[in-house]
Amino acid sequence: KNEVEQSPQNLTAQEGEFITINCSYSVGISALHWLQQHPGGGIVSLFMLSSGKKKHGRLIATINIQEKHSSLHITASHPRDSAVYICAVLTGTASKLTFGTGTRLQVTL
Amino acid sequence: EPEVTQTPSHQVTQMGQEVILRCVPISNHLYFYWYRQILGQKVEFLVSFYNNEISEKSEIFDDQFSVERPDGSNFTLKIRSTKLEDSAMYFCASTARQAGSPLHFGNGTRLTVT
Repeated sequence: KNEVEQSPQNLTAQEGEFITINCSYSVGISALHWLQQHPGGGIVSLFMLSSGKKKHGRLIATINIQEKHSSLHITASHPRDSAVYICAVLTGTASKLTFGTGTRLQVTL
Repeated sequence: EPEVTQTPSHQVTQMGQEVILRCVPISNHLYFYWYRQILGQKVEFLVSFYNNEISEKSEIFDDQFSVERPDGSNFTLKIRSTKLEDSAMYFCASTARQAGSPLHFGNGTRLTVT
């Protein structure tokens, strides 16, 4: 059974700060997703990665397969980045995702 | 950009009643999923569906649950006899390939069982 741990659980930052959210998992995976859940509940996929690093705008996601760890970075944070960020992993040929508990980010002016 | 649509956005039902949650995945996607999120808890996998059959299901997905793709566009989740603990947000998702492509989520259906 794959356990997915995220840290921190809650994060408050001021506008412009650099933010890092961490995700660790316990067994080998085939892919890792970073998701954003808006206050209304909707979920948006930010990244899907299986190695290395991906960048999209102010968001950067990295993964270290050997260390079973991934990070999501937000540069120059903005209040509109306030949301819950969720890490989810896909294991082997299984089609199900195992989700972390999420990191609630609040960016203030 | 194509999106996954779910209806209704909110469903209230009495305990013991049957509910059907509907989803229209993105048209060229082949893999379909249902997840649920009980208020304040993490998202949980329910079931995956490919080639008109269930690929995998979780322990939550017991005999009270069923899924169907009745007409090649809709993907439905039926709960036969709802319980209070079925109250949750239910998300549908689809993807073009099982691994290696992004998941697209619907906005969810909030199910309230009274």
